[in-house]
Amino acid sequence: GAGVSQSPSNKVTEKGKDVELRCDPISGHTALYWYRQSLGQGLEFLIYFQGNSAPDKSGLPSDRFSAERTGGSVSTLTIQRTQQEDSAVYLCASSLGAGANNSPLHFGNGTRLTVT
Amino acid sequence: DQQVKQNSPSLSVQEGRISILNCDYTNSMFDYFLWYKKYPAEGPTFLISISSIKDKNEDGRFTVFLNKSAKHLSLHIVPSQPGDSAVYFCAAWDNSGGSNYKLTFGKGTLLTVNP
Repeated sequence: GAGVSQSPSNKVTEKGKDVELRCDPISGHTALYWYRQSLGQGLEFLIYFQGNSAPDKSGLPSDRFSAERTGGSVSTLTIQRTQQEDSAVYLCASSLGAGANNSPLHFGNGTRLTVT
Repeated sequence: DQQVKQNSPSLSVQEGRISILNCDYTNSMFDYFLWYKKYPAEGPTFLISISSIKDKNEDGRFTVFLNKSAKHLSLHIVPSQPGDSAVYFCAAWDNSGGSNYKLTFGKGTLLTVNP
């Protein structure tokens, strides 16, 4: 079956440019997450969407980062005026619902962002 | 403030031997723990989990042990196979509060299984 799909798989951009990263979750999964893995670091929570509820944006590192989820399915993470410290692998995950009472998170293969 | 710690960045074992990956946590509200495995250029994949009401969970070659008093868990792989070579992440959930969806990850341990 189809897993979580992310595009592009790799993105190289110049400092100061905007980028958009896309995530297509597993069909039927109501919860969607964005995480980031910088070099040598663990996975850092960025944002969480659940159904029609207001998203938890508490992990977004700055106001240059935003995300939306249209129609409860596809999500886009946008980084404006990219900086070199934004270079990382951006991982999207989905699950049936929140917490341990539902399924574990299922991750996509990530988008490797390099800001030059 | 790292709440989930994997203090060994890497581990190397011989094929057929046991691999033991360790994880410590500081947040006593964590009540569900997971291990993920990650190959290069792929996303993490769920491996095994354990609830805080248990001290052991086994699935084939993989066993997770939880010591709540020590705030420590470990993943045992036996026998280890070359295909097990990957980065292993420990992760934890706090299901008690309003942010029960936030899975907190450690930095990972790179396991290399030598033929």
